Amino acid sequence: AQSVTQLDSQVPVFEEAPVELRCNYSSSVSVYLFWYVQYPNQGLQLLLKYLSGSTLVKGINGFEAEFNKSQTSFHLRKPSVHISDTAEYFCAVSDPTSNTGNQFYFGTGTSLTVIP
Amino acid sequence: DAGVTQSPTHLIKTRGQQVTLRCSPKSGHDTVSWYQQALGQGPQFIFQYYEEEERQRGNFPDRFSGHQFPNYSSELNVNALLLGDSALYLCASSLTLLEQYFGPGTRLTVT
Repeated sequence: AQSVTQLDSQVPVFEEAPVELRCNYSSSVSVYLFWYVQYPNQGLQLLLKYLSGSTLVKGINGFEAEFNKSQTSFHLRKPSVHISDTAEYFCAVSDPTSNTGNQFYFGTGTSLTVIP
Repeated sequence: DAGVTQSPTHLIKTRGQQVTLRCSPKSGHDTVSWYQQALGQGPQFIFQYYEEEERQRGNFPDRFSGHQFPNYSSELNVNALLLGDSALYLCASSLTLLEQYFGPGTRLTVT
């Protein structure tokens, strides 16, 4: 089974500063990778996904992520954060080559707080 | 196009009781997955339904069961509720392996 590690449980950052949220996953021949955002008392919203191709993936709200196979990482970045980016961010992985189909494995989340 | 919908939004039950949560998938999606998200944790996979059958199951006891109807909607049933079952229950629907769309969740509180 896959496992996902989000190295930072909480990340405070000042408004308009850049941010990076880190995600590492257990190795596999091939994986699909995802970042979701969760606002308080809401479900999960897809920010971006990596399926194949270019290792730099652009998503909604100005977020992007880079897939690094050798380091089994998929870090999320934004060059300039806004107050509205304050939320919980989850990295997820699925392994389409395994017999577990498209079960998603989630990290424990990173709480991003943007400080005015 | 309506996304994934779940009902009820909130629910309070007593230990030992049974509960049923409901999910309607995004239009055109035929696969429904259920996740449990405890406070401060990431979602944990419970099971997945496809063509009205349980296709995959996570590490959850048999007290957790489900059903998928011909219109692809789904139910999650939990018997003999424990305090530890208090969580946000998320439903996700998909058509392919490529991604899952999540509903807003049902907040279950067991007292």
